[in-house]
Amino acid sequence: GAVVSQHPSRVICKSGTSVKIECRSLDFQATTMFWYRQFPKQSLMLMATSNEGSKATYEQGVEKDKFLINHASLTLSTLTVTSAHPEDSSFYICSGTSGNRYEQYFGPGTRLTVT
Amino acid sequence: AQTVTQSQPEMSVQEAETVTLSCTYDTSESNYYLFWYKQPPSRQMILVIRQEAYKQQNATENRFSVNFQKAAKSFSLKISDSQLGDTAMYFCAFRGGNQFYFGTGTSLTVIP
Repeated sequence: GAVVSQHPSRVICKSGTSVKIECRSLDFQATTMFWYRQFPKQSLMLMATSNEGSKATYEQGVEKDKFLINHASLTLSTLTVTSAHPEDSSFYICSGTSGNRYEQYFGPGTRLTVT
Repeated sequence: AQTVTQSQPEMSVQEAETVTLSCTYDTSESNYYLFWYKQPPSRQMILVIRQEAYKQQNATENRFSVNFQKAAKSFSLKISDSQLGDTAMYFCAFRGGNQFYFGTGTSLTVIP
């Protein structure tokens, strides 16, 4: 299967600071990448969908100015949480698909803790 | 709108036994894909099995198989010879176009 990496796997930051999470497709070109947020024992909540070279499409209720998503290349997407607050603490997962693959391939996730 | 329903929040099964996880979905699309993903305690999402809606034959991957009933919009997962490593959350997912929808998950525990 295709491999997606995420970095960092864990991050702790102080309230008011920004943190960037990287998502890379290692062995395929991800024309579309997805960013999810997951609370303990719950399903994945889609935050946004991004196509390479285009602006991300955010789900209703997700603040686009707070969660900045960039998909500058076919192998890299980034999620920047700006002015993080404790309520932003969560597990963030990225995934990618490409034109000839109809399933998503997921990264291992990033646990964000805002103190 | 597409919806995916998993009505079993938690299930358990004895090691080596067989268990079936249920999933129903609602869609008006004719061409779509269905998946089961596994999320073990590591929280890495792993694709277990996939099914193309246009295929009548049920997908099988080793100990994992599905019962795909298109008219009933049902897509259940059967795990045979359950192993301790099967303990995980299982999510049913639907893809229509470039949109994915996930169920709420079933937490499966395999009891030694």
